[in-house]
Amino acid sequence: QQQVKQSPQSLIVQKGGISIINCAYENTAFDYFPWYQQFPGKGPALLIAIRPDVSEKKEGRFTISFNKSAKQFSLHIMDSQPGDSATYFCAASPNSGYALNFGKGTSLLVTP
Amino acid sequence: GAVVSQHPSRVICKSGTSVKIECRSLDFQATTMFWYRQFPKKSLMLMATSNEGSKATYEQGVEKDKFLINHASLTLSTLTVTSAHPEDSSFYICSAWGGGGYTFGSGTRLTVV
Repeated sequence: QQQVKQSPQSLIVQKGGISIINCAYENTAFDYFPWYQQFPGKGPALLIAIRPDVSEKKEGRFTISFNKSAKQFSLHIMDSQPGDSATYFCAASPNSGYALNFGKGTSLLVTP
Repeated sequence: GAVVSQHPSRVICKSGTSVKIECRSLDFQATTMFWYRQFPKKSLMLMATSNEGSKATYEQGVEKDKFLINHASLTLSTLTVTSAHPEDSSFYICSAWGGGGYTFGSGTRLTVV
């Protein structure tokens, strides 16, 4: 059972555009929501993470928006670049140190 | 920042042999290590969770006698794939909890021929 549902499965964005990836969860015990970027043949790398006590967090071109009542969170990549082309995973865990539950991933392609 | 060194990055082995994958936390103590398996273009599937000095907890459907996990110290965890078969070919990734966050290794591509 997929505890974190991610969409879209794939996304094509022009250079300079905004990439938006959405995730939804059901388990209200989740309190840590990270986003990971993965390039082919590499392990996931943490991009940005949020806890439910804030509704938005921004780091550079990456922003997480969090809607606790709707149990949804999203990643916005501003000014998308070809180098951002990768697979992005959202995840959630009930507490620090517990296993992360991953979404199915979104393959992002940023065209020149 | 926190670094997890995973080796080897690629390994090819013959069917029936065993392969050991190592993950070392270089600058922090990994109190918990998670081992994942990833199929092409798929998400990460949790195989097992291990705490230093304790037996690993395996997810449903994961054969503990085939995938041996050792977490003998706070900086080293190993996954041994025993009597490997072609269907064990996959991308294996470790993730360490410690130092305030989760840190992933760079993955091991296992090919069983």
